[in-house]
Amino acid sequence: AQKITQTQPGMFVQEKEAVTLDCTYDTSDPSYGLFWYKQPSSGEMIFLIYQGSYDQQNATEGRYSLNFQKARKSANLVISASQLGDSAMYFCAMKGDYGQNFVFGPGTRLSVLP
Amino acid sequence: NAGVTQTPKFRVLKTGQSMTLLCAQDMNHEYMYWYRQDPGMGLRLIHYSVGEGTTAKGEVPDGYNVSRLKKQNFLLGLESAAPSQTSVYFCASSRMSYEQYFGPGTRLTVT
Repeated sequence: AQKITQTQPGMFVQEKEAVTLDCTYDTSDPSYGLFWYKQPSSGEMIFLIYQGSYDQQNATEGRYSLNFQKARKSANLVISASQLGDSAMYFCAMKGDYGQNFVFGPGTRLSVLP
Repeated sequence: NAGVTQTPKFRVLKTGQSMTLLCAQDMNHEYMYWYRQDPGMGLRLIHYSVGEGTTAKGEVPDGYNVSRLKKQNFLLGLESAAPSQTSVYFCASSRMSYEQYFGPGTRLTVT
């Protein structure tokens, strides 16, 4: 069975600073993908970044980067130069390449302070 | 290009009533999913489909049924609504192992 753990229910960061949101996972699948989604207060789910388990380099998308440590089974999201609009819930998710289930973590609520 | 749409956006049901939530996608995605989101619990998978005419159970399927008669549509049915089914329901679609695209959600209250 797959499981995602996000141990930080809430995080605060000062505007323009970087922040790391933690995600650890458990799976027996040899090949899998890791995803991060943002959910602002308006409720929609927004895809941010993807990391494949066999990707050699950490994924980056603009101000978002994924710190992937396969041996530690962690896939932390790093947001650089935080903006007020980054205040939202952030969900880590994973999917085994040979299954159809996406599994989501409980989320971390990020608040960016002016 | 509307992406993923959900109908309705809000609904209030009485215990025991039935209803169907409709999800439609125009991206020709093979995979479609129904989730429920409850406070503090993230998203939990109810049912999913890997293609037209196929459905499978997710983590929390009890009390729900689904159908995928057309590739672009995925229906979620509640035969006899219960207060425990009060939640926000999200539909999503994807190409195989790629990222999911989500609909705007349906807020359901069962009294």
